[in-house]
Amino acid sequence: QVQLVQSGAEVRKPGASVKVSCKASGFTLSNEYIHWVRQAPGQGLEWMGVVNPNGGSTGFAQKSQGRVTVTRDTSTSAVYMELTSLTSEDTALYYCATSFLSQDGFNIWGQGTMVTVSS
Amino acid sequence: QSALTQPASVSGSPGQSITISCTATRSDILYYNYVSWYQQHPGKAPKLMIYAVSNRPSGVSNRFSGSKSGNTASLTISGLQAEDEADYYCSSHTASSTFFGTGTKVTVL
Repeated sequence: QVQLVQSGAEVRKPGASVKVSCKASGFTLSNEYIHWVRQAPGQGLEWMGVVNPNGGSTGFAQKSQGRVTVTRDTSTSAVYMELTSLTSEDTALYYCATSFLSQDGFNIWGQGTMVTVSS
Repeated sequence: QSALTQPASVSGSPGQSITISCTATRSDILYYNYVSWYQQHPGKAPKLMIYAVSNRPSGVSNRFSGSKSGNTASLTISGLQAEDEADYYCSSHTASSTFFGTGTKVTVL
């Protein structure tokens, strides 16, 4: 079964950082563009950024730029999204997603990782 | 201000057809045929319903159809069913960014 599997829920204090992982099952993660999308409680979807297949190029939403890093680790076949200088506004469900064998649209989504920022 | 604007809510009775609009506030978004639509039920990850404006992934009901005219894309659900009650998001991308719409809550009366 083709799926993306993410790491578990995290709780952080304001000002801290969080790193969320995303691994592939049933396909090779290293061949795909991996996007990160978040959803604050009761709110809509917000695209954060993307890393290309070779991990050498990334793109980020203006809002995320400067605080988010997306990297690949070939040894663990995982993609990581790290968000720094957390505030309560970063409390959200974070998804990784990809277009697998599709010309458009994210047809594979991770199950989501809840990140809670609270003092 | 979001780059893609959707109505906050749309409702319809079982069997009816409804249409959700998605309007771009920037001319470079929706310029190409990169429009996708997602359905999201509470507590679930989004599900791709339409890609490349009007294409349905395998397994998606043909009651769902998409179109685009100018700076507005649309998702039509025909033969509305109770299971269609969910949030729907449009999405498009440029060479550097991906954008999601503001989201529409569909209610089946």
